[in-house]
Amino acid sequence: SYELTQPSSVSVSPGQTARITCSGDVLPKKYARWFQQKPGQAPVVVIYKDSERPSGIPERFSGSSSGTTVTLTISGAQVEDEADYYCYSVADSYGVFGGGTRLTVL
Amino acid sequence: QVQLVQSGSEVKKPGSSVKVSCKSSGDSFSRHTISWVRQAPGQGLEWMGGTVPIFGASHYAPKFQGRLIIIADESTNTAYMELSSLTSDDTAVYYCARDRNLVTTIGDYYFDDWGQGTLVTVSS
Repeated sequence: SYELTQPSSVSVSPGQTARITCSGDVLPKKYARWFQQKPGQAPVVVIYKDSERPSGIPERFSGSSSGTTVTLTISGAQVEDEADYYCYSVADSYGVFGGGTRLTVL
Repeated sequence: QVQLVQSGSEVKKPGSSVKVSCKSSGDSFSRHTISWVRQAPGQGLEWMGGTVPIFGASHYAPKFQGRLIIIADESTNTAYMELSSLTSDDTAVYYCARDRNLVTTIGDYYFDDWGQGTLVTVSS
């Protein structure tokens, strides 16, 4: 089965750039998405098709892809960006989430 | 934006089954994939399976093969997830989620819109 690997935690100060990586063999073949989840809430898509940003998501969120790794970048992270972030992709007719990264902004 | 409304919380005994519903308010129900994702307390997100109503096809994560059934009722725009042989490890919030795009590739289970979640507690 396929796996997506993320760091368990990332910590930055407000205004700094946060980068969260996600690695997996399926990523050169299929698009990745990034979900943001805050406590007690359903996840929200912040990046789709590796680097596209849905309407309503702040411009400080961006995504990139290189080989077997995709990266979520939050430029000038805000306190309200503190959340869990999950990468997601598909392979062989099933979906796979990364283990999630807890982003701390303080 | 489509709304996905799920059925209410459930408490189940070990060994039993649970069935959760997900009603979509949007149109073109049959041409959008629907996935089921769960999250155990304090844990990450886990894709369980999905369905493509227009093709009558469902796919399941290997972990759930044999005890998970996902179906869609096009007459009521409702998807269902039934998980059997429950254990305490199945205690989780279960979400349905739908792709905003019309299906183009069977098996590509992406999603944008989420239901509110249904808490399933398995306890003796």
